[in-house]
Amino acid sequence: EVQLVESGGGLEQPGGSLRLSCAASGFIFSDYEMNWVRQAPGKGLEWVSYISSSGTTIYYSDSVKGRFTISRDNGKNSLYLQMNSLRAEDTALYYCVRVLGSAFDYWGQGTLVTVSS
Amino acid sequence: QPALTQPRSVSGSPGQSVTISCTGTSSDVGAYNSVSWYQQHPGKAPKVLISAVNYRPPGVPDRFSGSKSGNTASLTISGLQAEDEADYYCCSYAGIDTFRIFGGGTKLTVL
Repeated sequence: EVQLVESGGGLEQPGGSLRLSCAASGFIFSDYEMNWVRQAPGKGLEWVSYISSSGTTIYYSDSVKGRFTISRDNGKNSLYLQMNSLRAEDTALYYCVRVLGSAFDYWGQGTLVTVSS
Repeated sequence: QPALTQPRSVSGSPGQSVTISCTGTSSDVGAYNSVSWYQQHPGKAPKVLISAVNYRPPGVPDRFSGSKSGNTASLTISGLQAEDEADYYCCSYAGIDTFRIFGGGTKLTVL
């Protein structure tokens, strides 16, 4: 059974940093592209970042470019999101999401990031 | 990046059909056959319903179907059931610069 379990969320002050992790199991992690997608409270879905299966190709949304860094460790079956210079508008539930073809086929349950002073 | 345009809400009675539209541009929906649809119940993670415009993954009921015409994609739900009441999101590939863009979401109410 495919499982994606996020961790690392919490309350952080504006300008602070957090590192999110996603532990993957139930599939060959190194075969799949991965993404982070977030959802602000009561709002819609927003794509945040993509990383290829090998980690060599990476993309970011304009809203996080230059502040967030996506990475993966295929040996540990883990995906990461380093979030720096946090802003209030980064407050959201962050989902770890697997890609199959053109769709996001498996989603974790999310980890909540709250940016507030 | 502006979101794809979806109606904020739609409604229908059990057994009826509803269609949710997703309007983009010639740079996203119109340019690629990479539109997907997601269902999200309150407090739950999204679930994929449709990929590649009209492909239904295993396990998704055939009541759900997708299509595209020009810059607009559509999700049709036939034989509406109470458990279909949820939020629905479209998503499209939008090229290397933007990569992926979601619609604003549509709340489906089953009357």
